[in-house]
Amino acid sequence: DTAVSQTPKYLVTQMGNDKSIKCEQNLGHDTMYWYKQDSKKFLKIMFSYNNKELIINETVPNRFSPKSPDKAHLNLHINSLELGDSAVYFCASSHPLGRSSNYGYTFGSGTRLTVV
Amino acid sequence: QQQVKQSPQSLIVQKGGISIINCAYENTAFDYFPWYQQFPGKGPALLIAIRPDVSEKKEGRFTISFNKSAKQFSLHIMDSQPGDSATYFCAASTDDGAGSYQLTFGKGTKLSVIP
Repeated sequence: DTAVSQTPKYLVTQMGNDKSIKCEQNLGHDTMYWYKQDSKKFLKIMFSYNNKELIINETVPNRFSPKSPDKAHLNLHINSLELGDSAVYFCASSHPLGRSSNYGYTFGSGTRLTVV
Repeated sequence: QQQVKQSPQSLIVQKGGISIINCAYENTAFDYFPWYQQFPGKGPALLIAIRPDVSEKKEGRFTISFNKSAKQFSLHIMDSQPGDSATYFCAASTDDGAGSYQLTFGKGTKLSVIP
């Protein structure tokens, strides 16, 4: 069973369209995240979300919105897509760190979004 | 402002050699330092991580060295193998204790291990 699964794996769409990327985790983690990886492979946090709190990176345009129907799902909805939104989007989940260094994020395999 | 600086950008190592990747951070509140390994077409995967209360952590061929006073940490890959060829990311975060922690990543190092 895949721990963190994202769909679709590839998404090609025209400028101005609205699209969603789905993410599901079966690890029982409390927190989920969305990261954007640009063409230079730089990974940047977009959102983190648990049952209590949504933290939004201030640089993320409000065209991007996370939607969580339950603890195991965090979908990413994007309105009015722009050329610059083309990137690979990764979903991830995590346990609280506690005092351990053995935990970390579990990432999905990514969704490659191409806006034309 | 980049909070975690990673070098080198790319690295070529002979099979059996030692690969060394370095990172430096600015935020003294960071208290969790993981390394991730990413293969093409895959998501990053946790390799090894350290907390600032220890100066070194070893797991198999992978070792993190941590220097709190210099605000630097590094990944050493001993006996590097062609299968280690991947992009490596250092990262850092604070831990707010409430369960959510946001990783700030370095820009990545593309490692190529040649036979």
